Amino acid sequence: SQKIEQNSEALNIQEGKTATLTCNYTNYSPAYLQWYRQDPGRGPVFLLLIRENEKEKRKERLKVTFDTTLKQSLFHITASQPADSATYLCALAHDRGSTLGRLYFGRGTQLTVWP
Amino acid sequence: GAVVSQHPSRVICKSGTSVKIECRSLDFQATTMFWYRQFPKQSLMLMATSNEGSKATYEQGVEKDKFLINHASLTLSTLTVTSAHPEDSSFYICSAIGLVRADTQYFGPGTRLTVL
Repeated sequence: SQKIEQNSEALNIQEGKTATLTCNYTNYSPAYLQWYRQDPGRGPVFLLLIRENEKEKRKERLKVTFDTTLKQSLFHITASQPADSATYLCALAHDRGSTLGRLYFGRGTQLTVWP
Repeated sequence: GAVVSQHPSRVICKSGTSVKIECRSLDFQATTMFWYRQFPKQSLMLMATSNEGSKATYEQGVEKDKFLINHASLTLSTLTVTSAHPEDSSFYICSAIGLVRADTQYFGPGTRLTVL
């Protein structure tokens, strides 16, 4: 089965800096990979999806990269703000041919942006 | 768009009782709904996958007789925790995928279950 590791449990950075979160996987390369934001006591909120044939995806201050050779995805938040403080989850699509939409989730990285 | 609601948001019950949690897709038809459980500082663990009108598919180690799932319509799925025990206390989250974007799951706000 797929094993997913997110670089650290917690990341603390100063407002205005770029936050970089890492997601590594060990087994097959998924058809796509997603990043979610989760606030305490709330369900995850979808942020970005990147497919295996895409190297980079951007959305406003967010950028995701996907390197199938390294089996790694990087998630960047530029010009970070205290409101970006949350837990960020990496999720990988399950094997092709199995239930459509099924995902494996990492444990998440808790990001704190301090003023 | 793509809003998923859950009810209740919090529930406290006595050991041995049953609790029902509802998951609704408010503005789209959900072809598939997923039920997850999340313990503090842990990842989301998939419990089961349900498709409208058919039996749910449970993950290994999840007791289907204890966690009853009913997906009666394209906008509603329910999870019933039967004979709940303190170890069932957790954060239960549902998600749904629709016809338009089958690769993106939209999550409900979660239900905090506490079994005394």
